[in-house]
Amino acid sequence: NAGVTQTPKFQVLKTGQSMTLQCAQDMNHNSMYWYRQDPGMGLRLIYYSASEGTTDKGEVPNGYNVSRLNKREFSLRLESAAPSQTSVYFCASSRLAGGLQGQEQYFGPGTRLTVT
Amino acid sequence: GENVEQHPSTLSVQEGDSAVIKCTYSDSASNYFPWYKQELGKGPQLIIDIRSNVGEKKDQRIAVTLNKTAKHFSLHITETQPEDSAVYFCAASIENSGGSNYKLTFGKGTLLTVNP
Repeated sequence: NAGVTQTPKFQVLKTGQSMTLQCAQDMNHNSMYWYRQDPGMGLRLIYYSASEGTTDKGEVPNGYNVSRLNKREFSLRLESAAPSQTSVYFCASSRLAGGLQGQEQYFGPGTRLTVT
Repeated sequence: GENVEQHPSTLSVQEGDSAVIKCTYSDSASNYFPWYKQELGKGPQLIIDIRSNVGEKKDQRIAVTLNKTAKHFSLHITETQPEDSAVYFCAASIENSGGSNYKLTFGKGTLLTVNP
């Protein structure tokens, strides 16, 4: 049981390049999330997927797109990377979609992205 | 939307002392308050959570208290050990049986250092 896995662990991009961050969970969770973490800013929600087939914007969605490929996988795409997107990106999942006592979120190890 | 303030941003204690981290929230509808520990280079890990139907919850050396009237909650770590050194995040959200609010709002984090 690997929990939440993310690939790649590290990535360096040039301004304007595109890339997709991959996330998968093996806990049969319904909801999945993408966060970014910047120094002094805590964790900010980019996009989330409450259940398979649905996605919604979070606090900082500009410059990103997501795909909930199936129940297990949730990818984050940067179409045209900018230096402001230099950050650590975390994927998370939780068991229930909007239910009681199911919101505990489990995080992956993160992807460290640098855009030059 | 919800706003979570966390204090202090850094905290240094001697091994064996207690540590207290405090958070306030703005949305009186919030009813789920988790605490996460993040070690260097890793993703956040849930360590304890509390729901608004209780005022205190304890798990070995860690405890969380909640004051709904004042809209603040705190993490207490007793008999601190060097391995407690990490960044701690508080968060708040609304759990409900039929709604669509799955989003955690995080505080900006507290760097706890336990000196041997």
